[in-house]
Amino acid sequence: GAVVSQHPSWVICKSGTSVKIECRSLDFQATTMFWYRQFPKQSLMLMATSNEGSKATYEQGVEKDKFLINHASLTLSTLTVTSAHPEDSSFYICSASRPGSNTGELFFGEGSRLTVL
Amino acid sequence: KQEVTQIPAALSVPEGENLVLNCSFTDSAIYNLQWFRQDPGKGLTSLLLIQSSQREQTSGRLNASLDKSSGRSTLYIAASQPGDSATYLCARDRGSTLGRLYFGRGTQLTVWP
Repeated sequence: GAVVSQHPSWVICKSGTSVKIECRSLDFQATTMFWYRQFPKQSLMLMATSNEGSKATYEQGVEKDKFLINHASLTLSTLTVTSAHPEDSSFYICSASRPGSNTGELFFGEGSRLTVL
Repeated sequence: KQEVTQIPAALSVPEGENLVLNCSFTDSAIYNLQWFRQDPGKGLTSLLLIQSSQREQTSGRLNASLDKSSGRSTLYIAASQPGDSATYLCARDRGSTLGRLYFGRGTQLTVWP
């Protein structure tokens, strides 16, 4: 199956700092990637759709100025949590689908656990 | 709001049992439905994807069915094993953009030897 890699796996930061999470598709080029967030005991919630070479599309209620998404290449999307606060502590997961796939099958990264002190 | 509900929230069974995990969703106008497995602290592994034109998919000991009219999907796990212990997530599409999904909260499965 396709491989999607995330880095870092976990990160701890101080309140007010910014944190960048990378999502890479290792064996295919992904024109579109998706960023999800998962709070403990909650379902995964879609944050935004990352489009290569264009602006990300954010879901309702997600602050685009706080969660900066950059998809500068066909294999890399980054999510930057700016001025992080404890309530941003969560599990962030990215996903991608193979180009040309008409089924919508998604391949997920291993996730990045963010803890803001 | 397109909600996805999974029942039961948790399930603990002895090895060898056949299992049924349930997923229900609002709005029958879906494109596809997917079942995922999530191990603790890990990402998701896709198990089965059912397109709207299909009624079921099978992979090994797993079988997933889709009934759009009733807004339900069922994941059957045959002859469960301890290695099946994980959280099973059901997700439906959010519309025509493939990859944008609504997830349920999952069923946490424990299979003990």
